[in-house]
Amino acid sequence: QEQLQLSGPGLVRPSETLSLTCDISGDSVSSNSAAWNWIRLSPSRGLEWLGRTYYRSNWHNDYPLSMKSRIMIQADTSKNQFSLHLSSATPEDTAIYYCARARQLGIRFYFDFWGQGSLVTVSS
Amino acid sequence: QSALTQPRSVSGSPGQSVTISCTGTSSDVGGYDYVSWYQFHPGKAPKLIIYGVTERPSGVPDRFSGSKSGNTASLTISGLQDEDEADYYCCSYAGSYTEVFGTGTRVAVL
Repeated sequence: QEQLQLSGPGLVRPSETLSLTCDISGDSVSSNSAAWNWIRLSPSRGLEWLGRTYYRSNWHNDYPLSMKSRIMIQADTSKNQFSLHLSSATPEDTAIYYCARARQLGIRFYFDFWGQGSLVTVSS
Repeated sequence: QSALTQPRSVSGSPGQSVTISCTGTSSDVGGYDYVSWYQFHPGKAPKLIIYGVTERPSGVPDRFSGSKSGNTASLTISGLQDEDEADYYCCSYAGSYTEVFGTGTRVAVL
């Protein structure tokens, strides 16, 4: 039974790093056919893909240009989990955060399994 | 990368059909046969409804169908049911190994 369990603080102070972890059950973070994604939903920015990590003989990361300067997504194979680190948080980063698995179709991906979202508020 | 454009809301009575459009550019929707659709119910994990423009994952009812013409993709729900009331988002590959979502559409069942 697949499960993605998100954990992390619900409140982050401005200028600090927003960090979340997604624990994977029923699959492997090192899978050669999956990618592990972070996505968020906010009233002001809508639904936004934040990036992914995946293993294909070595580790790869993809990020949208808007995030590249302050985001890092890492896999931890010993714990079968992946994490999000978003530096210099601002109130604009307040959102419901989701972790999601993507399957690969040819050279593209689709998000076939999502965890329950978790609200993160950036506020002093 | 700008979000794909969707209508804010669509509505229909049970049994009717509704179609949600998802308009992008030749750099995303129009450039690749790679659009997926997701259903968001409050308090539940989002669910994949359509991938690869027209493919339906196992377990998704066949009243959901996808299509694409030019820079616009569409999701049609035929025979609308009460449980279809939800938010729907499209997503497209946007080049340079990135993905872009739509602005989201609220489907109301009257």
